[in-house]
Amino acid sequence: TQLLEQSPQFLSIQEGENLTVYCNSSSVFSSLQWYRQEPGEGPVLLVTVVTGGEVKKLKRLTFQFGDARKDSSLHITAAQPGDTGLYLCAGPPAFRGAQKLVFGQGTRLTINP
Amino acid sequence: GAGVSQSPSNKVTEKGKDVELRCDPISGHTALYWYRQSLGQGLEFLIYFQGNSAPDKSGLPSDRFSAERTGGSVSTLTIQRTQQEDSAVYLCASSLDLNTEAFFGQGTRLTVV
Repeated sequence: TQLLEQSPQFLSIQEGENLTVYCNSSSVFSSLQWYRQEPGEGPVLLVTVVTGGEVKKLKRLTFQFGDARKDSSLHITAAQPGDTGLYLCAGPPAFRGAQKLVFGQGTRLTINP
Repeated sequence: GAGVSQSPSNKVTEKGKDVELRCDPISGHTALYWYRQSLGQGLEFLIYFQGNSAPDKSGLPSDRFSAERTGGSVSTLTIQRTQQEDSAVYLCASSLDLNTEAFFGQGTRLTVV
């Protein structure tokens, strides 16, 4: 059972379209991180959201942390082929005894020219 | 170096042989993770080291897999009697602590023939 569930698992859209991917849990997280992994590389951090309800923007990418700190979303406006990659959410669970960063299984995004 | 370094970058081995994969984390990072990533898939957690605490080995798929971290720095993942299903990219990551960004190496691509 995944502590962090990402959806959709796969998404293929045309350049210029908008999209949203989701990261959900039944547990509260101290913070949530979003990473992007390109082929042949390790994942690289895009953003960290810490406060419930927080919204952060990175150019055409908008990240939101749910009010209850159990979920997060990533919205991409006017997607471009360079956005193609595996998007991973991760975070340290807030429950007592949680000791490590937990990763979701990822959303594999393909933007077609 | 400034980042997480993994070696070798590629390894081809015959079924039944043992392999050792090495990870040099960022200096000063107390947390170190090993993940496995099969083609087109997300990250599969293997093992986690945090400072001097006992490692979290809950993700190791079988007793053929083991890892150690010497002196709180370099880590080695050992796979004994390799099988074809062990073929994957093995990623190492390190972070300052539980709540901060994980920095990934570029991975070791293991192919068992």
